[in-house]
Amino acid sequence: DTGVSQDPRHKITKRGQNVTFRCDPISEHNRLYWYRQTLGQGPEFLTYFQNEAQLEKSRLLSDRFSAERPKGSFSTLEIQRTEQGDSAMYLCASSLGTGGRRGSLLAKNIQYFGAGTRLSVL
Amino acid sequence: ELKVEQNPLFLSMQEGKNYTIYCNYSTTSDRLYWYRQDPGKSLESLFVLLSNGAVKQEGRLMASLDTKARLSTLHITAAVHDLSATYFCAVHTGTASKLTFGTGTRLQVTL
Repeated sequence: DTGVSQDPRHKITKRGQNVTFRCDPISEHNRLYWYRQTLGQGPEFLTYFQNEAQLEKSRLLSDRFSAERPKGSFSTLEIQRTEQGDSAMYLCASSLGTGGRRGSLLAKNIQYFGAGTRLSVL
Repeated sequence: ELKVEQNPLFLSMQEGKNYTIYCNYSTTSDRLYWYRQDPGKSLESLFVLLSNGAVKQEGRLMASLDTKARLSTLHITAAVHDLSATYFCAVHTGTASKLTFGTGTRLQVTL
């Protein structure tokens, strides 16, 4: 499977615990995004990486949230001291961006999404 | 702050009927996307619209973009049950790389 993969698919945790999610983007994609989706809503942007650099963060990303992409490949999203309001689907997406010679401008900017990690905080 | 509104939020339609989903956005955008999401599944890219007057078609779905009106439409022709899903429009603005999504339109096609 060459798509975006996320692990775990489901996570149940108790309030106050820390959780970490992993995202493996499509291999040649240099841009990686994290979104959060709550029931009945569209995804909301959290943060974005180009290679290993974190270039943009939403104000939704409180200081309890941290994301890394240390080698410009996979990324992790950690939530510390989880709260019930953190319960949501966390989606990762990747795009080719400006890198690479292959693909049209159109194809380079399409964000491809993973299946998500569903977090339930009890 | 960019706002993206879709309507209707829920659409129940019979097989064979036609209908249109509307997506309005509040600021200038250089790119608009349509995605499909099945329950418990990932978002699947359907269309990318880059310029005013752009029209894209795939099977029974056709998307168009009017940048002056800040409006995109997703037209469904002769709906079939397999089209049942939630459809999202998403707007890309300026140099930011994030997408701002609408709240989605849940489409239910009944036999």
